[in-house]
Order: sequence, then structure tokens, then C-alpha cells
Amino acid sequence: EIVLTQSPATLSLSPGDRATLSCRASQSVSNYLAWYQQKPGQAPRLLIYDVSNRATGIPARFSGSGSGTDFTLTISSLEPEDFAVYYCLQRSNWHTFGPGTKVDIK
Amino acid sequence: QLHLQGSGPGLVKPSETLSLTCAVSGGSVTSNSLYWGWIRQPPGKGLEWIASIHFSGTTYYNPSLKSRVTISVDTSSNQFSLKLTSVTAADTAVYYCGREGFVGTANYFDYWGQGALVTVSS
Repeated sequence: EIVLTQSPATLSLSPGDRATLSCRASQSVSNYLAWYQQKPGQAPRLLIYDVSNRATGIPARFSGSGSGTDFTLTISSLEPEDFAVYYCLQRSNWHTFGPGTKVDIK
Repeated sequence: QLHLQGSGPGLVKPSETLSLTCAVSGGSVTSNSLYWGWIRQPPGKGLEWIASIHFSGTTYYNPSLKSRVTISVDTSSNQFSLKLTSVTAADTAVYYCGREGFVGTANYFDYWGQGALVTVSS
């Protein structure tokens, strides 16, 4: 089973700040890595697939990078609606979600 | 616009079977490139994939739940279902149904239902 770890658990930032979220896999997931955003009371929303491709309708301030076992989601300048929990997901071997990073307002 | 509507009892007794159905509208479950699946989220916790199915009948299960889970698809009703047996309080969660669309080089959950809270309690 592939285990994903995310860091930090919580990121306290202000609107306009740059957010850098990390996801690490216990073994290589190739490029089968996605990122999701979840707001309270809502279903997750696909942001990024295949490491670095933005899903339909996702703003350009969201970008993904990485390879193999280490991946990063970057939000270049936080908007008020970006404060949420972010999960990474690997699709290399079934589906595994990371534990999430909460981005909250400082 | 694709819409997924999950339904089922909000309360299940311990040791009984949890049954959920997801009705799909605005699209067909028989699209060849798509899978359909279930994900759950215990209150205040993270996401856990449960199972996925292709309309052809191909199924994939989370190994940690496989012995208790059955996923099925009903093409005539354009819906798919989940059964989880021998439930305990640890199975209390919001259960999401979702579509795995083929984007890029793999299938990812790209459409989600609104989620249904299922509580296991006597």
C-alpha cells in the first residue's frame, strides 16, 4: 500500500501570500498524483491531475510540481476563497489520499 | 451538466449492512472511459477511497475494506450502489459517490455527489 504524507498539517497565511504544500509518497507514484480542495460542508474539488495539469476551471494561481515521491502544490497569491483543506491523491496503485493540509487565515 | 445524487439511510445499527445508491443524471454510467466509485470521510477526518466500478463489471476495492464491501452498477437505472456489511461505529462517515473521469493519463475523481452522512449507532 502506498502511503501519502502531507506537510505541514496546518498553514496559517494571509490573503496575498504564497502557499506551498507538500505531499510525499512512500514509493514512486510516477505522475499519477492529484490535488483536491475541500471547503467545510462541501465535496472535494479536483484542482490538479497528473502532478501539474490544472483541471477545468481552476485558476492559474494553482500549480503543481514534482515527480516520483515528492510533490508540491503552490498557490501563488492566496484569495479569500482559497482557505480550505487540500488533499493529495495517488492513482498509481488504487487510490490513496494524504491526510490533508489545512490552509487557514493568519 | 453531470449530477450525482447519493441516497440511503442516515442511521444504521451496528453489525448491520449499510446500503447506498448513487443516481447519475446528465451523463451515462456506460461511458467506456469512466469508472464510478465511493469515498468516505469520518467526521473531522480525511478521505478514504472505498471502491470503484466500470459499467462492464470490473471492480476495484480498498484492500482494507474489501472483505466487507460490494459495489455494483445498474445500467438500466443509470446508477451504482455500495453495500458495506458488519458495520461498526468506525464506519460512521460522510459517504461520497463520484465519477472517475479519464483526464490526462489516468482516471481521477472529477465529479462528486454532495455526500451523505451515515451514522452507525444502536
